[in-house]
Amino acid sequence: EIVLTQSPVTLSLSPGERATLSCRASQSVSSYLSWYQQKPGQAPRLLIYDASNRATGIPARFSGSGSGTDFTLTISSLEPEDFAVYYCQQGSNWPLTFGGGTKVEIK
Amino acid sequence: EVQLEESGGDLVQPGGSLGLSCAASGFTFSGSAMSWVRQAPGKGLEWVSTLSGGGFNTYYADSVKGRFTISRDNSKNTLYLQMNSLRAEDTAVYYCAKVSGTGGYRRFDSWGQGTLVTVSS
Repeated sequence: EIVLTQSPVTLSLSPGERATLSCRASQSVSSYLSWYQQKPGQAPRLLIYDASNRATGIPARFSGSGSGTDFTLTISSLEPEDFAVYYCQQGSNWPLTFGGGTKVEIK
Repeated sequence: EVQLEESGGDLVQPGGSLGLSCAASGFTFSGSAMSWVRQAPGKGLEWVSTLSGGGFNTYYADSVKGRFTISRDNSKNTLYLQMNSLRAEDTAVYYCAKVSGTGGYRRFDSWGQGTLVTVSS
């Protein structure tokens, strides 16, 4: 099973600041890495797929990079609605696995 | 617009059974693989099971293999999850999700709002 480790667990930032979230895989997942956003009481929403492609309707302030085992989600300038939990997920091997999540909170 | 609506969540005793449904609309259901993903209270996301569009290929997490069965009725645009021998650790919100990806089942591009399953005596 591929283990995804997200860091940091919590990120405390102010609106307008840049957020950088990390996801590290225990073995290569090629570019089959997706990022999701989840707000309290809501279902997750796909943000980024195949490491760097924005899903439909996702603002350009969200970007993804990386390949192999190291991936990054960047939010260039945090908007109030971006404070949420973010999960990475690999689609390279069964079982499909998620990281433990990074909570982006208001400082 | 893709819409997924889960139903069937309930309180059930340990060792009991429960069936979940997911009604889909807004896309070609028979052409899309579908999954169930769960989230225990206050915890992260856990993939549970995936079923191919034609219903021939199934995949399960080890934690549910032999106890849960995923199925679909493409004539009704509905996905199912039959859960048997339920345990306390199966308590979670269960999400139905549409699967997509190049060359395989790579990501979950649309999600329902979830249905809560509580296993407790």
